[in-house]
Amino acid sequence: QKEVEQNSGPLSVPEGAIASLNCTYSDRGSQSFFWYRQYSGKSPELIMSIYSNGDKEDGRFTAQLNKASQYVSLLIRDSQPSDSATYLCAVKDSGYSTLTFGKGTMLLVSP
Amino acid sequence: DAGVIQSPRHEVTEMGQEVTLRCKPISGHNSLFWYRQTMMRGLELLIYFNNNVPIDDSGMPEDRFSAKMPNASFSTLKIQPSEPRDSAVYFCASTIYLGGSGYTFGSGTRLTVV
Repeated sequence: QKEVEQNSGPLSVPEGAIASLNCTYSDRGSQSFFWYRQYSGKSPELIMSIYSNGDKEDGRFTAQLNKASQYVSLLIRDSQPSDSATYLCAVKDSGYSTLTFGKGTMLLVSP
Repeated sequence: DAGVIQSPRHEVTEMGQEVTLRCKPISGHNSLFWYRQTMMRGLELLIYFNNNVPIDDSGMPEDRFSAKMPNASFSTLKIQPSEPRDSAVYFCASTIYLGGSGYTFGSGTRLTVV
């Protein structure tokens, strides 16, 4: 069974700091990797996707992928209180497979 | 685009009653997914459809759960009879095609079975 593991947190960082969120996955055949943000009482929202080893930057967000280590991370620079949410890592095989989600890491950014 | 629309937003029902959750995917999206989210188990895939055809329902916990997609713009998830352990948030999500990236989620239905 495919597994996606995340530290449940909460991860607490001060405003302006870098938040680092980590995710490991069990299936070496995984090809696509996603980060979703979920505010309390809301639905998951896609914020980043990454498919190749290395870094992918989008504004204050950087996704990092290391397939050899089966490891994905999300860095949030200049963290803001509005970034406080649960971040879900999701993994997908190649082809017509579905997303498998981790349980998420709660991030708390204090002013 | 109105996004994925789910109804109702909240449902409180008594144990043993039938519950029907509804979902309208984004127009043009060919794949639809039903997820259940709890604190203990996170987001679990229950069933998904491609071009209105159920592809994999192995995530459906019991025969009490059933889902249909009679056309491209409507799907239902039914629980009969409902039990307290079914209490969770149920999300519907859609994507353009099954091999595509990322899902768009609806606002969810918070189900409480008392």
